[in-house]
Amino acid sequence: DTEVTQTPKHLVMGMTNKKSLKCEQHMGHRAMYWYKQKAKKPPELMFVYSYEKLSINESVPSRFSPECPNSSLLNLHLHALQPEDSALYLCASSQGYGGRDTGELFFGEGSRLTVL
Amino acid sequence: DAKTTQPTSMDCAEGRAANLPCNHSTISGNEYVYWYRQIHSQGPQYIIHGLKNNETNEMASLIITEDRKSSTLILPHATLRDTAVYYCIVRVAGGNNRLAFGKGNQVVVIP
Repeated sequence: DTEVTQTPKHLVMGMTNKKSLKCEQHMGHRAMYWYKQKAKKPPELMFVYSYEKLSINESVPSRFSPECPNSSLLNLHLHALQPEDSALYLCASSQGYGGRDTGELFFGEGSRLTVL
Repeated sequence: DAKTTQPTSMDCAEGRAANLPCNHSTISGNEYVYWYRQIHSQGPQYIIHGLKNNETNEMASLIITEDRKSSTLILPHATLRDTAVYYCIVRVAGGNNRLAFGKGNQVVVIP
């Protein structure tokens, strides 16, 4: 199984809603990532988890709250978002074991978020 | 991580080899060259990576110059399904696991 599964594929939410994006992988990877991609722009790194601990936060606003409950799951909790947060949110994973990490990231298909 | 420079866009003929250039003149000795692509409305897909030797896999070949300041991704027989944005990225393998995408090269394969 070389898949990264993201749910939901599409999400529409109001600015006062609380919602979550979910990501799952069963490749035994120990590093997981969230990226944000606006239309016609490259993906931008948001967060990196390594061994279920947050290792990188690219100065992301606190209305985005990541969570890694176990090595297979990664969540992104959303609260009080703005219309400009509408984007494709991509999850990825990699081996993450030091010298055995080739740096190859496996990406999911993304969750397309619209904030009204 | 070192920055890369790629053409903004290019067209390639179906069935011909597609040569995608990338400049990375500030690459450090421990940084690898990675190539990813993103087909419209899909997540990015890993293609290949290398340090200093040329590499080949089932998808593509990677040619890195001896001084490592530039590289070329070669798609041996381009198909319409190869139309995508191609990203050349330089990065330390493992380490802090930060993979940062540049603007990429929009490659269109023309019948």
